[in-house]
Amino acid sequence: KAGVTQTPRYLIKTRGQQVTLSCSPISGHRSVSWYQQTPGQGLQFLFEYFSETQRNKGNFPGRFSGRQFSNSRSEMNVSTLELGDSALYLCASSSDRGQFPNTGELFFGEGSRLTVL
Amino acid sequence: AQSVTQLDSHVSVSEGTPVLLRCNYSSSYSPSLFWYVQHPNKGLQLLLKYTSAATLVKGINGFEAEFKKSETSFHLTKPSAHMSDAAEYFCVVSAPPRNRDDKIIFGKGTRLHILP
Repeated sequence: KAGVTQTPRYLIKTRGQQVTLSCSPISGHRSVSWYQQTPGQGLQFLFEYFSETQRNKGNFPGRFSGRQFSNSRSEMNVSTLELGDSALYLCASSSDRGQFPNTGELFFGEGSRLTVL
Repeated sequence: AQSVTQLDSHVSVSEGTPVLLRCNYSSSYSPSLFWYVQHPNKGLQLLLKYTSAATLVKGINGFEAEFKKSETSFHLTKPSAHMSDAAEYFCVVSAPPRNRDDKIIFGKGTRLHILP
């Protein structure tokens, strides 16, 4: 069974640009969540999608957005990039057994490392 | 509200000796607790989880953790460290689904170094 796939793995952008990251969950998983990992703030929850609907959201500004498609693939977008947005963005999928976060396992991708210059 | 504190940012042990990674939590609810491991340039992998069943939880690769409500702790242990255990470890607390805030909180991480 293929794992969670994130693309691109690495990218470099400049301030003010926007970026779109993609996440393909494990087949059959309907919940997809996104996280930002930085040396200073650690791992922080961005949002979670299920059946094309955002069910939960962390404390990030509106520049961070996402969506989920009917095949459960998800994208996240960051507009008007700032230097502080440089981070590893992780996506995780889980088999839905109820509201997120469920008591089951999150399966993480290897992340997309974004550098903002 | 809930929080999680990993008491050590770095831990170094010799190969073959015991490992102890400490985690304290705070939660207004009955939380679910997890330990995840992250190897360099990789995503996180679940080691074990506590979800209000047995307080002593066994995970993969010989790791286990004990939930102690009176001490609000969920420390991760392994009897004998292996070189392949060198990684960063995250303690995670999640709230019940009915809670609208602080859905999932990650500790700052503990980097485990294994000395030959």
